[in-house]
Amino acid sequence: NAGVTQTPKFQVLKTGQSMTLQCAQDMNHNSMYWYRQDPGMGLRLIYYSASEGTTDKGEVPNGYNVSRLNKREFSLRLESAAPSQTSVYFCASTVRDSGNTIYFGEGSWLTVV
Amino acid sequence: AQSVTQLDSHVSVSEGTPVLLRCNYSSSYSPSLFWYVQHPNKGLQLLLKYTSAATLVKGINGFEAEFKKSETSFHLTKPSAHMSDAAEYFCVVQRAGNNRKLIWGLGTSLAVNP
Repeated sequence: NAGVTQTPKFQVLKTGQSMTLQCAQDMNHNSMYWYRQDPGMGLRLIYYSASEGTTDKGEVPNGYNVSRLNKREFSLRLESAAPSQTSVYFCASTVRDSGNTIYFGEGSWLTVV
Repeated sequence: AQSVTQLDSHVSVSEGTPVLLRCNYSSSYSPSLFWYVQHPNKGLQLLLKYTSAATLVKGINGFEAEFKKSETSFHLTKPSAHMSDAAEYFCVVQRAGNNRKLIWGLGTSLAVNP
């Protein structure tokens, strides 16, 4: 029962480096999301994909890009990492973007130095 | 506009005693309300959700929450705390079935003392 799987779990980057966070779900869900979690700020939506082939910006999209590679996979890319992007990143998915329960991955801890 | 306020950033209880985590919300619409739990270095797990059916909602691990429209509250309770309940708890408001409009509280850290 894998659910939502994220990789890597931990990563340290230097300012200006790029990297991609990978996310895959095996629940045949249509909608997928990327959140970041910062102390004192709760979870904030970066990007989402309501269905395969579509992506849209969330609350805090600046500095990020996403790709909905297929129905299973939704990747988040940092083109030029900044210290402000130090955070815990969560991928999530749900059957449909219309009120169903959202299922989360276990998180990716990213530090930008 | 919607918002959610978790009234306590940290709650400490003894094992075997009741747990109360408080959540107030404001919403112009009939909201859906959720409680999620996050154990250290883990993802978020749904505890329970209210979606305009019964006002008393039972969730996993013995937790329950009561939707009180007159008080705009959705407090999370458990009769008897267990050590494994120590975690961060998030109250979440959802606008009318739209997952993109989830509003997250800032979390309440629950400590359970032996």
